[in-house]
Amino acid sequence: NAGVTQTPKFRVLKTGQSMTLLCAQDMNHEYMYWYRQDPGMGLRLIHYSVGEGTTAKGEVPDGYNVSRLKKQNFLLGLESAAPSQTSVYFCASSYRYGDEQFFGPGTRLTVL
Amino acid sequence: AQSVTQPDIHITVSEGASLELRCNYSYGATPYLFWYVQSPGQGLQLLLKYFSGDTLVQGIKGFEAEFKRSQSSFNLRKPSVHWSDAAEYFCAVDGPSGGSYIPTFGRGTSLIVHP
Repeated sequence: NAGVTQTPKFRVLKTGQSMTLLCAQDMNHEYMYWYRQDPGMGLRLIHYSVGEGTTAKGEVPDGYNVSRLKKQNFLLGLESAAPSQTSVYFCASSYRYGDEQFFGPGTRLTVL
Repeated sequence: AQSVTQPDIHITVSEGASLELRCNYSYGATPYLFWYVQSPGQGLQLLLKYFSGDTLVQGIKGFEAEFKRSQSSFNLRKPSVHWSDAAEYFCAVDGPSGGSYIPTFGRGTSLIVHP
């Protein structure tokens, strides 16, 4: 099993450009999450999904959109990137609430 | 809103010394409680979790944590630290918020181990 994978691992964008981060899991988990990690801030939840076709806002959703068209995939989109979105992005999945989250390796995004 | 506080940003210990990392949460009921570890450049890995039952929870790598309801705390401990334990440690809670269960992480404690 690959667990949770994230694509790409690194990306540099210019202000105003758009991009999509892909998260895939092969554990048949219902719940999937997108976080951003900034120095001294821990992990902050951007959006999450409790099943295929569902999405919900987390703590810091502004400037991001998500889609969960297939159970195994959770996409995070930046429509118009800003320097404040420079961060490391982690995807995670779990079978249900209260269960262990399995994390991907992260995507390091720099917005110039 | 639920919150998680890790009051120590950095902790430095000598190899072989004991360790305690503090975590306090603010929530009306007992949420699910977790400790995760993150090695440099890696994702997070679960050390242990608690929801109910014995308040002393054993985890991987020789770690344990004690839940104290009266203090709203879930402190992580290890009797003898190894150099490989140097990493970032995150306390997290998972509890109801607005009809859903939403995970909340603390800001993390960076553990430095001196030889």
